[in-house]
Amino acid sequence: AQKITQTQPGMFVQEKEAVTLDCTYDTSDPSYGLFWYKQPSSGEMIFLIYQGSYDQQNATEGRYSLNFQKARKSANLVISASQLGDSAMYFCAMREPIIQGAQKLVFGQGTRLTINP
Amino acid sequence: NAGVMQNPRHLVRRRGQEARLRCSPMKGHSHVYWYRQLPEEGLKFMVYLQKENIIDESGMPKERFSAEFPKEGPSILRIQQVVRGDSAAYFCASSPIEGDRSTDTQYFGPGTRLTVL
Repeated sequence: AQKITQTQPGMFVQEKEAVTLDCTYDTSDPSYGLFWYKQPSSGEMIFLIYQGSYDQQNATEGRYSLNFQKARKSANLVISASQLGDSAMYFCAMREPIIQGAQKLVFGQGTRLTINP
Repeated sequence: NAGVMQNPRHLVRRRGQEARLRCSPMKGHSHVYWYRQLPEEGLKFMVYLQKENIIDESGMPKERFSAEFPKEGPSILRIQQVVRGDSAAYFCASSPIEGDRSTDTQYFGPGTRLTVL
């Protein structure tokens, strides 16, 4: 079974600073995918970024980048120039195959990020 | 292109009543996943459905819970004889027929918050 670990229950960062949210994973599958989702206080789940295990480069999406270290089995999310609107819960997730080519997501416990003005 | 729709957004039930949660996937998506989020936890997979078929229900409690995705209409997650421990946020996600080959991303609805009194 695959497992996702987020060791930071909460983080406090000053506005405009960069922040790194940690995520480590455990899997025996050679092919896997890692996701980050943001959950603001309103509750919805917002997809941020994806990294495939065979991707040659680290994924980037605007202010979000993924520091993917395959040997260490880590996929940390980096948010540059943090903004007040970045305050939210952040979840790291890994896809786990289901039959018929589909996949379910296995989530970590989440990190609550608070951006201070 | 409307996103994943879920209703109701909030649902209050008394112990012993039935709860029905509805999910309409994004247009063009025929795979539906249900997840449950207990307070202060990450999302946990419950069931995966395609039109008229339950593909994987390994995360669904054996009793009182059922799910369907009929040929016409939304997917329904039904909880019979609810108990206080069923209080949680229930999320639906959908993905395309041929998964996005670069991300296989699941797109989440806003969730239904169930409160059992």
